[in-house]
Amino acid sequence: ILNVEQSPQSLHVQEGDSTNFTCSFPSSNFYALHWYRWETAKSPEALFVMTLNGDEKKKGRISATLNTKEGYSYLYIKGSQPEDSVTYLCAFNNAGNMLTFGGGTRLMVKP
Amino acid sequence: AAGVIQSPRHLIKEKRETATLKCYPIPRHDTVYWYQQGPGQDPQFLISFYEKMQSDKGSIPDRFSAQQFSDYHSELNMSSLELGDSALYFCASSLGLRSYEQYFGPGTRLTVT
Repeated sequence: ILNVEQSPQSLHVQEGDSTNFTCSFPSSNFYALHWYRWETAKSPEALFVMTLNGDEKKKGRISATLNTKEGYSYLYIKGSQPEDSVTYLCAFNNAGNMLTFGGGTRLMVKP
Repeated sequence: AAGVIQSPRHLIKEKRETATLKCYPIPRHDTVYWYQQGPGQDPQFLISFYEKMQSDKGSIPDRFSAQQFSDYHSELNMSSLELGDSALYFCASSLGLRSYEQYFGPGTRLTVT
């Protein structure tokens, strides 16, 4: 059983704050690490797919880093907005087909 | 752009009934994955198909079966439904067996009463 954990489970921030959260995953048999943005009742939306140790990816105000040797990835949101209030899922791919998901971080941004 | 389509979006069944969930991948995608997310749980991988053949199998109960058809759509058949089968069932698709990207559908919420 692969252990993928996200922390914190939920997070409340003020509009305009910057924030970050963590995904930890096994450091062996790494293939890819996925970040998804999941709004309730909608499809999880792919944010990043990270494959190389040291990868840093950015999309607008959201960025992510990857450390495969120690088994963690950070997701950063700069200047949080109310529309960022969704669940952020990370998923570990160990060269098989299947993704192993973390429990998600639910972000709530107060106007 | 076309996304992954799942039908139905909501389904209510009674115990011991059967249910069939359908997944239509993004056009040209040849790989389909099924995940189950129970209440308060992480999504769990069930099964995947590539080019109509099963490619990987996860924690799928024996009461469930699935297949992928020639048009690449997939169906998850669930028999002798139990209360514990109540969950959100996601389908994802990708192009190729070892693709880095999996695109998810909106899920089918199954409620077993």
